[in-house]
Amino acid sequence: NAGVTQTPKFRILKIGQSMTLQCTQDMNHNYMYWYRQDPGMGLKLIYYSVGAGITDKGEVPNGYNVSRSTTEDFPLRLELAAPSQTSVYFCASRETTATEAFFGQGTRLTVV
Amino acid sequence: AQTVTQSQPEMSVQEAETVTLSCTYDTSESDYYLFWYKQPPSRQMILVIRQEAYKQQNATENRFSVNFQKAAKSFSLKISDSQLGDAAMYFCAYRGPIAGGTSYGKLTFGQGTILTVHP
Repeated sequence: NAGVTQTPKFRILKIGQSMTLQCTQDMNHNYMYWYRQDPGMGLKLIYYSVGAGITDKGEVPNGYNVSRSTTEDFPLRLELAAPSQTSVYFCASRETTATEAFFGQGTRLTVV
Repeated sequence: AQTVTQSQPEMSVQEAETVTLSCTYDTSESDYYLFWYKQPPSRQMILVIRQEAYKQQNATENRFSVNFQKAAKSFSLKISDSQLGDAAMYFCAYRGPIAGGTSYGKLTFGQGTILTVHP
């Protein structure tokens, strides 16, 4: 049982480039989330989804886009990368009535 | 909006001793959940303990226990018999109720406390 899988684990982007952070879960969870963690700080919510085809903004959505075409996948798209997007990105999922969310291993992104 | 505050950027403890990490939060909801997560250098977010607001009894998981003071909106983590493997960043987190509302299970995190364990 893989849980929540994020790819890639590390990435260096140049300013202005675009990329997609992949997140997939095999637990059939309806709820999925993207968080970012800046150095020495707590996690902040970027976007979340309550099911396939339904997404909504979190606390820090600017510069990002998401889609949820299937229950399993919740990719995060960065358009025109900026140094302020240098961070560690975490994907998480949760079963509808569960208390606990499961986190992926994170993607460390550096924009130079 | 809910806020979570961890006022101790760093804490240290001797191996086998006890340490308490502080967390305060602000919310207007009466039903909610509180969590402590551990983040070792591997970056993995590991759930340490959780507390349901409607339960008056403090949660305990082996060497980890909480002191939940709902009226004071305080949620501290006590680690007993500290071990070298406890060294990590610890995050306090809040989420709203499962049923109803618009929280959708979103987590609000504190800034984190780095715990160092000395042998």
